[in-house]
Amino acid sequence: DGGITQSPKYLFRKEGQNVTLSCEQNLNHDAMYWYRQDPGQGLRLIYYSQIVNDFQKGDIAEGYSVSREKKESFPLTVTSAQKNPTAFYLCASSIAWQNEKLFFGSGTQLSVL
Amino acid sequence: AQSVTQPDIHITVSEGASLELRCNYSYGATPYLFWYVQSPGQGLQLLLKYFSGDTLVQGIKGFEAEFKRSQSSFNLRKPSVHWSDAAEYFCAVVGLNTGTASKLTFGTGTRLQVTL
Repeated sequence: DGGITQSPKYLFRKEGQNVTLSCEQNLNHDAMYWYRQDPGQGLRLIYYSQIVNDFQKGDIAEGYSVSREKKESFPLTVTSAQKNPTAFYLCASSIAWQNEKLFFGSGTQLSVL
Repeated sequence: AQSVTQPDIHITVSEGASLELRCNYSYGATPYLFWYVQSPGQGLQLLLKYFSGDTLVQGIKGFEAEFKRSQSSFNLRKPSVHWSDAAEYFCAVVGLNTGTASKLTFGTGTRLQVTL
């Protein structure tokens, strides 16, 4: 079955450590997105990629980095510069950047030790 | 700037009762509206969407939503709630001619609890 796979399900970060969240899709979608979800808040866009080898900052990109070397993969690195990283991170994709319908992965819960 | 307001943080209904979740949006042009559902610890699943035509749209799992331009609302309804409907529901808006999901604005969500 086609879909979006996020790993790991749970991740813990130590002070000063960079961690990378994986997102893989086999839907053959061009566009991919990373969202951050905090309790009681809506989803906030971190980064997005409309096509391979290209990505753009979203609304809250500070302290995060991404790459899009392959169409099916869009990993997110939470750097030590992100002072409040504890959140639920959601990866999504759409068929093309012009298409507003999103397909979501099941998320990664990141916590700080 | 576009915005979405979901005024109810938490709603509890009895199984079999009807449900209405409220969503108000602010957008200067023609909106493209969505409802998503999120089960605990999971991603979001699209329930339904509206961009033009009939203002009453049908979605999956027996849900429907009505677009009311005069009230800037897009409320989600279900005639008879099942225990499996317990989840968090998000309304989202983007400009119809924006043409990209990167411009989606999500509401803060409404958590639905269903009592047996």
